[in-house]
Amino acid sequence: NAGVTQTPKFRVLKTGQSMTLLCAQDMNHEYMYWYRQDPGMGLRLIHYSVGEGTTAKGEVPDGYNVSRLKKQNFLLGLESAAPSQTSVYFCAHRRAGVGEQYFGPGTRLTVT
Amino acid sequence: DAKTTQPPSMDCAEGRAANLPCNHSTISGNEYVYWYRQIHSQGPQYIIHGLKNNETNEMASLIITEDRKSSTLILPHATLRDTAVYYCIVRVHGSGETSGSRLTFGEGTQLTVNP
Repeated sequence: NAGVTQTPKFRVLKTGQSMTLLCAQDMNHEYMYWYRQDPGMGLRLIHYSVGEGTTAKGEVPDGYNVSRLKKQNFLLGLESAAPSQTSVYFCAHRRAGVGEQYFGPGTRLTVT
Repeated sequence: DAKTTQPPSMDCAEGRAANLPCNHSTISGNEYVYWYRQIHSQGPQYIIHGLKNNETNEMASLIITEDRKSSTLILPHATLRDTAVYYCIVRVHGSGETSGSRLTFGEGTQLTVNP
């Protein structure tokens, strides 16, 4: 599982509801990322973190918030879900320097 | 990060070599070439990366042209399980670390390995 778990695996929300997606990694890596992938498209970066207590915006941050209170966890929050946020969400992590990102299995979110 | 161009789809016979091209003509000196693949909506999987020398690992070989403007990923003996979308990505290191060295995914190449 590339040292990363995502919770939950599936979720259906109604418009306006809120939820938090959890990503947990066990490789003690500094960098963590949240991506979304819409059907037939590549992944787009939502937010990322270069270390505990730090976060930064990616390509498509609107409508999402994140927190990295512990090094091993990266949380993605949707305060008021919209149908446009229906997507598959992938978490990833990597160590600092040259090297690959390790991706989780994804969370499939549907907003009705 | 430099933009990449890949063919949208390719076919390959099982057991033959699959050669996936990527154009990155605007690549700069501190940008590495990375390849990932995604099998049927699973999380992307790292394959290989390189700067300017050819690289080989247990999964594939990466051939980068001398001017670094293009590269080819080679799967030496493709199997049905190699059917996936393959992404070529260029990523800056060093001074780019402050931006998290994000990966910018295009639409990739859908490789179909046929029996």
